[in-house]
Amino acid sequence: LAKTTQPISMDSYEGQEVNITCSHNNIATNDYITWYQQFPSQGPRFIIQGYKTKVTNEVASLFIPADRKSSTLSLPRVSLSDTAVYYCLVGDMNRDDKIIFGKGTRLHILP
Amino acid sequence: NAGVTQTPKFRVLKTGQSMTLLCAQDMNHEYMYWYRQDPGMGLRLIHYSVGEGTTAKGEVPDGYNVSRLKKQNFLLGLESAAPSQTSVYFCASSYSAGANVLTFGAGSRLTVL
Repeated sequence: LAKTTQPISMDSYEGQEVNITCSHNNIATNDYITWYQQFPSQGPRFIIQGYKTKVTNEVASLFIPADRKSSTLSLPRVSLSDTAVYYCLVGDMNRDDKIIFGKGTRLHILP
Repeated sequence: NAGVTQTPKFRVLKTGQSMTLLCAQDMNHEYMYWYRQDPGMGLRLIHYSVGEGTTAKGEVPDGYNVSRLKKQNFLLGLESAAPSQTSVYFCASSYSAGANVLTFGAGSRLTVL
């Protein structure tokens, strides 16, 4: 499994765009990048997944450069309810049985 | 669909007592996982299962046992609870390996006195 590095915490204000970057220098050819969101007292929930370039859904966008050694989760116009911990995971869809979470990025949205 | 259901949601134990946490999923998922989360920490994998009748160790397996007798259920047992096992426990399941999306339960908060 490729190891990931992301900031421990970030602060932002309501209405701003928030970008959280994850480094995964030893990502393998078959690895996908997946982001989860965890609110206090809840289990994590899937928000977005990608392999290369850009993926967008109703919640976020995921930007992956050509070398795939990093990825950026972009949350448009955040609100207080986006305060959560965000986890970046890298893994092979067909191979990696162990799903290891790091400590994630604690995002705090201020009014 | 209920998704992933964990029971109990809360439990207080005394040191040395035993208990079992139950995780049930109704999505016909092959893979199931048990994690623990301590305050301010990320999730740490305890044990996991890649199918009925199989189990494997994760990052922090000591002090825990698991069983997957039925595909839909994954049990986490504490034979002799210790205060260090005070934590929130999360169960998750997925269709298959690796980058497949995990569906999590709501968590079980365990306190060992």
